[in-house]
Amino acid sequence: DTAVSQTPKYLVTQMGNDKSIKCEQNLGHDTMYWYKQDSKKFLKIMFSYNNKELIINETVPNRFSPKSPDKAHLNLHINSLELGDSAVYFCASSHTGSPEKLFFGSGTQLSVL
Amino acid sequence: SQQGEEDPQALSIQEGENATMNCSYKTSINNLQWYRQNSGRGLVHLILIRSNEREKHSGRLRVTLDTSKKSSSLLITASRAADTASYFCATEQTDSWGKLQFGAGTQVVVTP
Repeated sequence: DTAVSQTPKYLVTQMGNDKSIKCEQNLGHDTMYWYKQDSKKFLKIMFSYNNKELIINETVPNRFSPKSPDKAHLNLHINSLELGDSAVYFCASSHTGSPEKLFFGSGTQLSVL
Repeated sequence: SQQGEEDPQALSIQEGENATMNCSYKTSINNLQWYRQNSGRGLVHLILIRSNEREKHSGRLRVTLDTSKKSSSLLITASRAADTASYFCATEQTDSWGKLQFGAGTQVVVTP
């Protein structure tokens, strides 16, 4: 069984559309994250949730809205997509709020045309 | 801002050789971690070294940490073709609890 699974794996869409990426972990972890990896492979944290509570909210446009219905799920909704949003988005989880070992999903490659 | 920076950006070696890559960071940390990313996949945790540790081993991996120089190294001994991947260092800064900051990685290619 996949520990951290995110869907879809590929997402191709037009500018201005709204899209969502879903993430689920079956590890029983308390904390989940969204990271963005740009074309130069630089990985930057966007959000983290601990037991459904928002802990970290980096300087991310408010077009990005995470939602955690329960501690096993953290979804990412993006409104009014822009060309610069094209990247690979990774979901991750850790046992506690201290990120001593992150488990990553396989990524969602978002292409905005 | 970017916390960790890996060096070199790319490394090409033959199977059986050792691969060494370095990571420098800017501010005080609680721990430093190394991750591997195979092409098209998510990152996989390799090893964690705490700020009060100087060296750690795990299988063919050896990690060192020099907090006075704010740098770490990852050594992969007797490399294999399967070690071909990008390797990232990540730090948890002492003043940013819960936030793991990554560098841009070292791309390692191991040829048979």
